[in-house]
Amino acid sequence: GESVGLHLPTLSVQEGDNSIINCAYSNSASDYFIWYKQESGKGPQFIIDIRSNMDKRQGQRVTVLLNKTVKHLSLQIAATQPGDSAVYFCAEDDMRFGAGTRLTVKP
Amino acid sequence: DAGVIQSPRHEVTEMGQEVTLRCKPISGHDYLFWYRQTMMRGLELLIYFNNNVPIDDSGMPEDRFSAKMPNASFSTLKIQPSEPRDSAVYFCASSLRDTLSYGYTFGSGTRLTVV
Repeated sequence: GESVGLHLPTLSVQEGDNSIINCAYSNSASDYFIWYKQESGKGPQFIIDIRSNMDKRQGQRVTVLLNKTVKHLSLQIAATQPGDSAVYFCAEDDMRFGAGTRLTVKP
Repeated sequence: DAGVIQSPRHEVTEMGQEVTLRCKPISGHDYLFWYRQTMMRGLELLIYFNNNVPIDDSGMPEDRFSAKMPNASFSTLKIQPSEPRDSAVYFCASSLRDTLSYGYTFGSGTRLTVV
């Protein structure tokens, strides 16, 4: 029978390219946002967070951008590596997660 | 720190049986969360505790599900009676809500199969 499930947005990039993963949030009063990475068979892993009084925050190879006007978050990964292949989730301070985006890195 | 520890890693049980999932949060963390992940519904928040007190259980599917946190180092999620549609990966996460950052740390999950 047909498999039914969540439709995960997918992003496929070449190794070494930069990746941009997007997330729309719903609550304009949210004060805190988090990006998680989930590899197959593992629990979600914290990557980076940002508070609503900032519009950009950088980590190691990752940058999160926050646009409160349009309620949009993005995660930028520089020089994407095969180990970055995973599902990426954003979450707001209500601790609820979106569907996620599957990133596949081609060697 | 060993991180958030969940047990068992895998559980296979028959429909109608009671199932108990266990979680040990990171020492010193004051929030604990239970999530369920399925292909159909993604990652769902079931319940969370603050200082061992349940704060929001609106995500608990029905009365067959219950969660307790008797002390700061232990929590259980119980399903009684279990049904095949409860099959999922159940994650526990903990966090420390300080003023700077409170990203949560997840355990490795318990994969539950109800046959």
